[in-house]
Amino acid sequence: KQEVTQIPAALSVPEGENLVLNCSFTDSAIYNLQWFRQDPGKGLTSLLLIQSSQREQTSGRLNASLDKSSGRSTLYIAASQPGDSATYLCAVRPLEYGNKLVFGAGTILRVKS
Amino acid sequence: GAGVSQSPSNKVTEKGKDVELRCDPISGHTALYWYRQSLGQGLEFLIYFQGNSAPDKSGLPSDRFSAERTGGSVSTLTIQRTQQEDSAVYLCASSSSAGRGELFFGEGSRLTVL
Repeated sequence: KQEVTQIPAALSVPEGENLVLNCSFTDSAIYNLQWFRQDPGKGLTSLLLIQSSQREQTSGRLNASLDKSSGRSTLYIAASQPGDSATYLCAVRPLEYGNKLVFGAGTILRVKS
Repeated sequence: GAGVSQSPSNKVTEKGKDVELRCDPISGHTALYWYRQSLGQGLEFLIYFQGNSAPDKSGLPSDRFSAERTGGSVSTLTIQRTQQEDSAVYLCASSSSAGRGELFFGEGSRLTVL
């Protein structure tokens, strides 16, 4: 059974710092991995999608990497801003049942001004 | 519309009543998903539609929960005889393809059962 773990559970950093959020998964047989952010009381906003054949994806100050063989992904946020404060979720789409994502519990990020 | 639209955004109901939650996916998206997010819990898969068919209903927690999709577009999630443990945020997502597509979520419907 696929399980997704995110570390740390919470992170507080001063504005301007570069930071890394970690996601690990137990079964490397995946279609893809997707990173989301969720603001309080809101839905999920897609940040980056990495297909299983890809090593990384970039969007603005965000860079996500995927090491499928070791079951790991990282989300790198450069020059963090208070507006980056949110919960960050990673999710994998397993090959076994590709019609649903398996989510981690999330990392709560607070960027202090 | 430009994004996934869900209604109502908030619903307060009494225990034992039926509720209907609506999802309008991104135009042209063939795959539609319902998830549930309970307070302090992760996201829980409920059901998946490809077109109007639901090949995976494995996440529906009980027979009080049902969902349908019509015209390959709008979907309705119905909860009968609501219980307090049904209180959660119900999130709908859609994607352009079932296997590899990026999922786009709506803002959710927050259900409170008194």
